[in-house]
Amino acid sequence: EIVLTQSPATLSLSPGERATLSCRASQSVGYYLAWYQQKPGQAPRLLIYGASNRAPGIPARFSGSGSGTDFTLTISSLEPEDFAVYYCQQRTNWITFGQGTRLEIK
Amino acid sequence: QVQLQESGPGLVKPSETLSLTCTVSNGSINYFYWSWIRQSPGKGLEWIGDIYYSGSTNYNPSLKSRVTISVDTSRNQVSLTLISVTAADTAVYYCARPGGNSQIDDWGRGTLVTVSS
Repeated sequence: EIVLTQSPATLSLSPGERATLSCRASQSVGYYLAWYQQKPGQAPRLLIYGASNRAPGIPARFSGSGSGTDFTLTISSLEPEDFAVYYCQQRTNWITFGQGTRLEIK
Repeated sequence: QVQLQESGPGLVKPSETLSLTCTVSNGSINYFYWSWIRQSPGKGLEWIGDIYYSGSTNYNPSLKSRVTISVDTSRNQVSLTLISVTAADTAVYYCARPGGNSQIDDWGRGTLVTVSS
Protein backbone atom coordinates (compact mmCIF):
# COMPACT_ATOMS: atom_id res chain seq x y z
CA GLU A 1 0.00 0.00 0.00
CA ILE A 2 1.28 3.45 -0.87
CA VAL A 3 1.08 5.77 2.12
CA LEU A 4 0.62 9.49 1.55
CA THR A 5 1.92 11.75 4.31
CA GLN A 6 0.73 15.34 4.34
CA SER A 7 2.42 18.19 6.14
CA PRO A 8 1.82 20.23 8.09
CA ALA A 9 -1.22 18.80 9.84
CA THR A 10 -2.47 22.33 10.48
CA LEU A 11 -1.45 25.54 8.76
CA SER A 12 -2.45 28.88 10.22
CA LEU A 13 -2.32 31.80 7.81
CA SER A 14 -4.06 35.07 7.06
CA PRO A 15 -6.04 36.04 3.95
CA GLY A 16 -3.72 37.30 1.25
CA GLU A 17 -0.83 35.08 2.35
CA ARG A 18 0.68 32.25 0.35
CA ALA A 19 -0.04 28.67 1.42
CA THR A 20 2.25 25.75 0.67
CA LEU A 21 0.97 22.24 1.43
CA SER A 22 3.08 19.11 1.07
CA CYS A 23 2.25 15.51 0.21
CA ARG A 24 4.90 12.79 0.27
CA ALA A 25 4.34 9.27 -1.09
CA SER A 26 6.02 6.18 0.36
CA GLN A 27 6.93 5.13 -3.18
CA SER A 28 6.72 6.72 -6.59
CA VAL A 29 3.27 7.49 -7.96
CA GLY A 30 4.58 9.20 -11.10
CA TYR A 31 2.27 12.11 -11.87
CA TYR A 32 -0.89 10.34 -10.63
CA LEU A 33 -1.53 12.64 -7.72
CA ALA A 34 -4.66 14.68 -7.07
CA TRP A 35 -5.63 17.35 -4.54
CA TYR A 36 -9.04 18.00 -3.00
CA GLN A 37 -10.60 20.70 -0.83
CA GLN A 38 -13.22 19.77 1.74
CA LYS A 39 -15.38 22.14 3.76
CA PRO A 40 -17.50 21.07 6.75
CA GLY A 41 -20.58 19.11 5.78
CA GLN A 42 -19.55 18.93 2.11
CA ALA A 43 -18.06 16.34 -0.15
CA PRO A 44 -14.47 16.86 -1.27
CA ARG A 45 -13.97 18.97 -4.39
CA LEU A 46 -11.31 18.16 -6.95
CA LEU A 47 -8.75 20.94 -7.33
CA ILE A 48 -5.75 19.41 -9.11
CA TYR A 49 -5.24 16.17 -11.06
CA GLY A 50 -2.19 14.70 -12.73
CA ALA A 51 -0.07 16.55 -10.16
CA SER A 52 -0.37 19.95 -11.85
CA ASN A 53 -3.59 20.23 -13.87
CA ARG A 54 -6.34 22.43 -12.48
CA ALA A 55 -9.81 20.93 -12.58
CA PRO A 56 -12.49 22.87 -14.47
CA GLY A 57 -13.64 25.98 -12.65
CA ILE A 58 -10.75 26.03 -10.16
CA PRO A 59 -9.23 29.50 -9.72
CA ALA A 60 -5.72 30.14 -10.99
CA ARG A 61 -4.45 30.88 -7.48
CA PHE A 62 -4.40 27.09 -6.93
CA SER A 63 -1.43 25.30 -8.44
CA GLY A 64 0.14 21.88 -8.05
CA SER A 65 3.65 20.64 -8.67
CA GLY A 66 5.86 17.63 -8.16
CA SER A 67 6.35 14.09 -9.38
CA GLY A 68 7.45 10.74 -8.05
CA THR A 69 7.20 10.98 -4.27
CA ASP A 70 7.08 14.71 -3.47
CA PHE A 71 4.18 16.99 -4.32
CA THR A 72 3.09 20.50 -3.41
CA LEU A 73 -0.20 22.37 -3.52
CA THR A 74 0.25 26.13 -3.53
CA ILE A 75 -2.43 28.74 -3.00
CA SER A 76 -0.83 31.99 -4.12
CA SER A 77 -2.99 34.45 -2.19
CA LEU A 78 -5.51 33.10 0.27
CA GLU A 79 -9.14 34.09 -0.03
CA PRO A 80 -11.54 33.68 2.93
CA GLU A 81 -13.25 30.75 1.20
CA ASP A 82 -9.98 28.81 0.93
CA PHE A 83 -9.84 27.93 4.62
CA ALA A 84 -10.72 24.24 4.65
CA VAL A 85 -9.14 20.79 4.82
CA TYR A 86 -7.01 19.63 1.88
CA TYR A 87 -6.33 16.02 0.91
CA CYS A 88 -3.98 14.46 -1.59
CA GLN A 89 -4.83 11.17 -3.33
CA GLN A 90 -3.09 8.61 -5.50
CA ARG A 91 -3.97 5.49 -7.36
CA THR A 92 -1.18 3.10 -8.25
CA ASN A 93 -2.63 -0.24 -7.18
CA TRP A 94 -5.61 1.19 -5.37
CA ILE A 95 -6.72 4.59 -4.16
CA THR A 96 -5.28 6.02 -0.98
CA PHE A 97 -5.62 9.47 0.55
CA GLY A 98 -3.37 11.51 2.75
CA GLN A 99 -4.55 12.30 6.26
CA GLY A 100 -5.27 15.92 5.38
CA THR A 101 -3.96 19.40 6.12
CA ARG A 102 -6.27 21.80 7.92
CA LEU A 103 -5.82 25.36 6.66
CA GLU A 104 -7.12 27.71 9.32
CA ILE A 105 -7.40 31.46 9.68
CA LYS A 106 -4.66 32.98 11.81
CA GLN B 1 -22.83 17.55 -15.13
CA VAL B 2 -23.44 14.06 -13.78
CA GLN B 3 -25.23 13.91 -10.42
CA LEU B 4 -24.79 11.15 -7.87
CA GLN B 5 -27.30 10.46 -5.09
CA GLU B 6 -26.68 7.97 -2.32
CA SER B 7 -29.60 6.34 -0.54
CA GLY B 8 -30.13 3.70 2.11
CA PRO B 9 -30.70 3.17 5.84
CA GLY B 10 -29.04 5.66 8.15
CA LEU B 11 -28.85 3.18 11.03
CA VAL B 12 -27.58 -0.40 10.94
CA LYS B 13 -27.18 -2.78 13.86
CA PRO B 14 -23.81 -4.34 14.67
CA SER B 15 -23.14 -7.64 12.87
CA GLU B 16 -25.80 -6.84 10.25
CA THR B 17 -25.41 -5.77 6.61
CA LEU B 18 -25.05 -2.23 5.29
CA SER B 19 -26.64 -1.69 1.88
CA LEU B 20 -26.49 1.55 -0.09
CA THR B 21 -27.50 2.55 -3.60
CA CYS B 22 -26.10 5.30 -5.77
CA THR B 23 -28.37 6.65 -8.50
CA VAL B 24 -26.63 8.35 -11.40
CA SER B 25 -28.49 11.12 -13.22
CA ASN B 26 -27.67 13.61 -15.99
CA GLY B 27 -25.40 11.02 -17.55
CA SER B 28 -24.99 7.37 -18.40
CA ILE B 29 -23.41 4.79 -16.17
CA ASN B 30 -21.87 3.16 -19.23
CA TYR B 31 -18.16 3.33 -20.03
CA PHE B 32 -17.21 4.70 -16.59
CA TYR B 33 -15.84 3.44 -13.31
CA TRP B 34 -17.84 4.12 -10.14
CA SER B 35 -16.39 4.24 -6.66
CA TRP B 36 -17.47 4.11 -3.04
CA ILE B 37 -15.46 6.14 -0.53
CA ARG B 38 -16.18 6.65 3.16
CA GLN B 39 -15.20 9.10 5.86
CA SER B 40 -15.52 8.31 9.54
CA PRO B 41 -16.65 11.23 11.72
CA GLY B 42 -13.80 13.68 12.10
CA LYS B 43 -11.45 11.43 10.16
CA GLY B 44 -9.93 11.15 6.72
CA LEU B 45 -11.07 9.51 3.52
CA GLU B 46 -11.00 5.76 2.85
CA TRP B 47 -11.54 4.22 -0.59
CA ILE B 48 -13.79 1.16 -0.39
CA GLY B 49 -13.67 0.00 -3.99
CA ASP B 50 -14.92 0.57 -7.49
CA ILE B 51 -16.67 -1.08 -10.37
CA TYR B 52 -16.56 -0.69 -14.12
CA TYR B 53 -19.93 -0.50 -15.87
CA SER B 54 -19.26 -3.98 -17.27
CA GLY B 55 -19.10 -5.37 -13.73
CA SER B 56 -15.38 -5.81 -13.03
CA THR B 57 -14.46 -4.73 -9.52
CA ASN B 58 -11.53 -3.57 -7.40
CA TYR B 59 -11.65 -3.51 -3.61
CA ASN B 60 -9.59 -2.09 -0.78
CA PRO B 61 -7.68 -5.10 0.56
CA SER B 62 -8.57 -4.13 4.13
CA LEU B 63 -12.31 -4.43 3.36
CA LYS B 64 -12.30 -6.98 0.55
CA SER B 65 -13.62 -9.88 2.62
CA ARG B 66 -16.76 -7.93 3.60
CA VAL B 67 -17.55 -5.78 0.54
CA THR B 68 -19.52 -6.28 -2.64
CA ILE B 69 -20.08 -3.56 -5.24
CA SER B 70 -22.52 -4.18 -8.07
CA VAL B 71 -23.94 -2.24 -11.00
CA ASP B 72 -27.38 -2.13 -12.64
CA THR B 73 -27.00 -0.36 -15.97
CA SER B 74 -30.73 -0.54 -16.71
CA ARG B 75 -31.45 1.54 -13.61
CA ASN B 76 -28.28 3.66 -13.76
CA GLN B 77 -27.44 2.51 -10.25
CA VAL B 78 -24.41 1.28 -8.34
CA SER B 79 -24.80 -0.59 -5.06
CA LEU B 80 -22.61 -1.21 -2.03
CA THR B 81 -23.00 -4.08 0.40
CA LEU B 82 -20.87 -4.37 3.54
CA ILE B 83 -21.44 -7.36 5.79
CA SER B 84 -20.78 -7.92 9.50
CA VAL B 85 -20.60 -4.23 10.35
CA THR B 86 -19.21 -2.82 13.57
CA ALA B 87 -19.10 0.65 15.09
CA ALA B 88 -15.90 1.23 13.13
CA ASP B 89 -17.99 1.22 9.95
CA THR B 90 -19.89 4.31 11.06
CA ALA B 91 -19.12 6.90 8.41
CA VAL B 92 -20.38 9.15 5.67
CA TYR B 93 -20.46 7.02 2.53
CA TYR B 94 -19.83 8.73 -0.79
CA CYS B 95 -20.57 7.54 -4.28
CA ALA B 96 -18.04 8.95 -6.73
CA ARG B 97 -16.87 8.85 -10.33
CA PRO B 98 -13.17 8.53 -11.08
CA GLY B 99 -11.66 10.32 -14.03
CA GLY B 100 -9.05 9.40 -16.60
CA ASN B 101 -6.01 10.10 -14.42
CA SER B 102 -7.44 8.17 -11.47
CA GLN B 103 -8.61 11.30 -9.70
CA ILE B 104 -12.19 11.52 -8.42
CA ASP B 105 -14.01 13.93 -10.71
CA ASP B 106 -17.51 13.82 -9.26
CA TRP B 107 -18.86 13.14 -5.78
CA GLY B 108 -22.29 12.54 -4.34
CA ARG B 109 -23.33 14.52 -1.30
CA GLY B 110 -22.75 11.50 0.91
CA THR B 111 -24.98 9.68 3.34
CA LEU B 112 -24.26 9.09 7.02
CA VAL B 113 -24.56 5.51 8.19
CA THR B 114 -24.40 4.87 11.92
CA VAL B 115 -23.76 1.38 13.28
CA SER B 116 -25.42 1.07 16.64
CA SER B 117 -27.80 -1.19 18.49
